[in-house]
Amino acid sequence: GAVVSQHPSWVICKSGTSVKIECRSLDFQATTMFWYRQFPKQSLMLMATSNEGSKATYEQGVEKDKFLINHASLTLSTLTVTSAHPEDSSFYICSATGLAGGSYNEQFFGPGTRLTVL
Amino acid sequence: QKEVEQDPGPLSVPEGAIVSLNCTYSNSAFQYFMWYRQYSRKGPELLMYTYSSGNKEDGRFTAQVDKSSKYISLFIRDSQPSDSATYLCAMTATGTASKLTFGTGTRLQVTL
Repeated sequence: GAVVSQHPSWVICKSGTSVKIECRSLDFQATTMFWYRQFPKQSLMLMATSNEGSKATYEQGVEKDKFLINHASLTLSTLTVTSAHPEDSSFYICSATGLAGGSYNEQFFGPGTRLTVL
Repeated sequence: QKEVEQDPGPLSVPEGAIVSLNCTYSNSAFQYFMWYRQYSRKGPELLMYTYSSGNKEDGRFTAQVDKSSKYISLFIRDSQPSDSATYLCAMTATGTASKLTFGTGTRLQVTL
């Protein structure tokens, strides 16, 4: 299957700082990328959907000014957590779909980024 | 009520056992049903995908969808220690390139 990478895999930051997480599709063009958040022992919750070259669509309850998403190219989307606080500590996972998908346009998931805010 | 409920809770079975995982859902618009496997600190990987009602088999894995009951299942035969992971059901109304709604996950441990 197609490969999606995330960087960094783990980040620790101080409260009030901003953190950028990158999501890359390595061997296909990702027309759509999704950002999920997963708390310990809980399921994935969709935060936002981004299409290349367009503004992201955020799910209800997700602050767009706090979680900035940029999908500037067909292989890269970034999530910036601005003014991070301890409650933002979570596992952030991206997925991508596009021209490498099967007949049903499979979403390919990245390995996730663990954010810890002190 | 959550849109997707998943059973059972954490599960521990001996090697070789048959495992049954289930999800119920409330949104009758869901048409695409997926099962993902997630190892610790990793992203989910697609195991099985089914469109509408019916059964699908892939090796030791069988997925069943009963839309009339809003109920889906994943069966794992001859379970192996390498099957130890969290299994997530997911579903969507408009195709798997669209927004997925996930169940809460079942953590499976297969012991020797």
